[in-house]
Amino acid sequence: AQSVTQPDIHITVSEGASLELRCNYSYGATPYLFWYVQSPGQGLQLLLKYFSGDTLVQGIKGFEAEFKRSQSSFNLRKPSVHWSDAAEYFCAVGFMEYGNKLVFGAGTILRVKS
Amino acid sequence: DGGITQSPKYLFRKEGQNVTLSCEQNLNHDAMYWYRQDPGQGLRLIYYSQIVNDFQKGDIAEGYSVSREKKESFPLTVTSAQKNPTAFYLCASSNPGRGSNQPQHFGDGTRLSIL
Repeated sequence: AQSVTQPDIHITVSEGASLELRCNYSYGATPYLFWYVQSPGQGLQLLLKYFSGDTLVQGIKGFEAEFKRSQSSFNLRKPSVHWSDAAEYFCAVGFMEYGNKLVFGAGTILRVKS
Repeated sequence: DGGITQSPKYLFRKEGQNVTLSCEQNLNHDAMYWYRQDPGQGLRLIYYSQIVNDFQKGDIAEGYSVSREKKESFPLTVTSAQKNPTAFYLCASSNPGRGSNQPQHFGDGTRLSIL
């Protein structure tokens, strides 16, 4: 069965430091990949998506993600974190034969120290 | 502006009571989804609908029901058979007609609690 793993439940970084959030999936073919962000009590906002082509994708708010087929990973990065980036981040994967449904990871809560 | 509206933002249910969560979208999307979110578990799919008058069970459909009589609307009923309904419920929509890789857009959620 398809699955998505976000190994880090919580991450704390200092403001201005770099950030990397990990995401791994299990699936035989190339899936469709998404990162979403959620502020407390709010819905999910799409940060970026990967379908095909260049494996480094740029998103909103200065985020980027890199698809590595050999590692089945789609890690999210930001070179310099701002206090407003504190939120929960979800990796989601879509599979062609799964229709337009998504499988979500359990999420990573980001805390930013000033 | 186009978007997804969920109401109410907070909802309380008494034992043995059915409650209905509203989801309306004006994005002209064909597909709509309901997710349940519990702390540390990510989002789990309850029901989804790819087209009007048709819907399918997701991974945790027991104790829930839906209808899709209009393209814009996909209400979710939490029945008394759902023994642990306390959660944050999220509605989403997408436009799979443009390809199965289209992202889903989310509403702001409804938090359901037991009285």
